[in-house]
Amino acid sequence: RKEVEQDPGPFNVPEGATVAFNCTYSNSASQSFFWYRQDCRKEPKLLMSVYSSGNEDGRFTAQLNRASQYISLLIRDSKLSDSATYLCVVNKGTGGSYIPTFGRGTSLIVHP
Amino acid sequence: NAGVTQTPKFRVLKTGQSMTLLCAQDMNHEYMYWYRQDPGMGLRLIHYSVGEGTTAKGEVPDGYNVSRLKKQNFLLGLESAAPSQTSVYFCASSPSGTYGYTFGSGTRLTVV
Repeated sequence: RKEVEQDPGPFNVPEGATVAFNCTYSNSASQSFFWYRQDCRKEPKLLMSVYSSGNEDGRFTAQLNRASQYISLLIRDSKLSDSATYLCVVNKGTGGSYIPTFGRGTSLIVHP
Repeated sequence: NAGVTQTPKFRVLKTGQSMTLLCAQDMNHEYMYWYRQDPGMGLRLIHYSVGEGTTAKGEVPDGYNVSRLKKQNFLLGLESAAPSQTSVYFCASSPSGTYGYTFGSGTRLTVV
């Protein structure tokens, strides 16, 4: 089983739709979690951190389920500009160092 | 505030040639990482550093060497380039490894 798994998609949704992505991770000792956004031929950029209590930033909501070992990202009222690849990142401590592992990404296409 | 700067942005190498990719950050971050990104493979960790003078192997270290002589710089070397090293290389940095990661804009390397 891969350390971090995501459905590659693409998720093809109309403007205004609500869309949700899940990401599962295999290491129960994982300590911190993030969602990144990557546009075509660009570098990944931090979208939001994911906290145990869940957190929201405008139209974006992230949640963590430690018992089932997954994190989720919900996008409400999708915009054309939300079209991108969304990367799940899971961070674990290894011998005092913190190593992020990236999922392969979920592609989102928002159409008019 | 430049963040993370990678040089060069593009490079074409012949098989067997060597080169060094430079990553520089001006945020006083302790952790620095080198990733490669290939279609369908996601971001894979090559080497990382948890502080000046330290380096460690990641998931795909073979064929690469690194050095972190100064805190702000993390160099990735290819001693004898191979076509399998054709990829997009991203450098990232983090204050402590548990916070988010800031990426450079990438280096597109083609080995012919």
